[in-house]
Amino acid sequence: DVKVTQSSRYLVKRTGEKVFLECVQDMDHENMFWYRQDPGLGLRLIYFSYDVKMKEKGDIPEGYSVSREKKERFSLILESASTNQTSMYLCASSLELAGEDYEQYFGPGTRLTVT
Amino acid sequence: KQEVTQIPAALSVPEGENLVLNCSFTDSAIYNLQWFRQDPGKGLTSLLLIQSSQREQTSGRLNASLDKSSGRSTLYIAASQPGDSATYLCAVPSGGYNKLIFGAGTRLAVHP
Repeated sequence: DVKVTQSSRYLVKRTGEKVFLECVQDMDHENMFWYRQDPGLGLRLIYFSYDVKMKEKGDIPEGYSVSREKKERFSLILESASTNQTSMYLCASSLELAGEDYEQYFGPGTRLTVT
Repeated sequence: KQEVTQIPAALSVPEGENLVLNCSFTDSAIYNLQWFRQDPGKGLTSLLLIQSSQREQTSGRLNASLDKSSGRSTLYIAASQPGDSATYLCAVPSGGYNKLIFGAGTRLAVHP
């Protein structure tokens, strides 16, 4: 079974702190994704990576950066946390190409609260 | 730009009913469509992936259909149970690299 794990289920941080959210997958997937989910706005793509050290902005990258130094690990960084970044953060992974067979697998999510 | 819509937004049914959740998308040039389940405060669990060459996919009491030409998919749940209560999301890849565009979801409550 594919397993995507996230470092924390719940996280509380203060405004201005630097925050790291870690995601690890064990299926040798090339693609990894970070989404955030908010009531009324649904799931929105923040950043994705299609290979080690390769990254692309998604729909809402402002205030975030990412790091992918190893294939299995994809980190989301909030450079200076703000209250409007309070959200549920979901990591996902999939095989490389947008082919017919390739499911996207999600982690359990991190509920981040910025106070 | 691809847009995904799910109807209804919420559904409350008694246990045992068969029910249909609807998903529509604006751009029919898709590789596949994926249905997910999300329990409150949890991540997404993949239920079914329908390839663009398929018309149906089944898993247990779940059956998903895909009609690319009309831009629609349906998720059929047979003999619903209280344990089926969750939010159901559909998603299609868009813009390469398997980036997904999600619908807003259907929140299902099955009461005993």
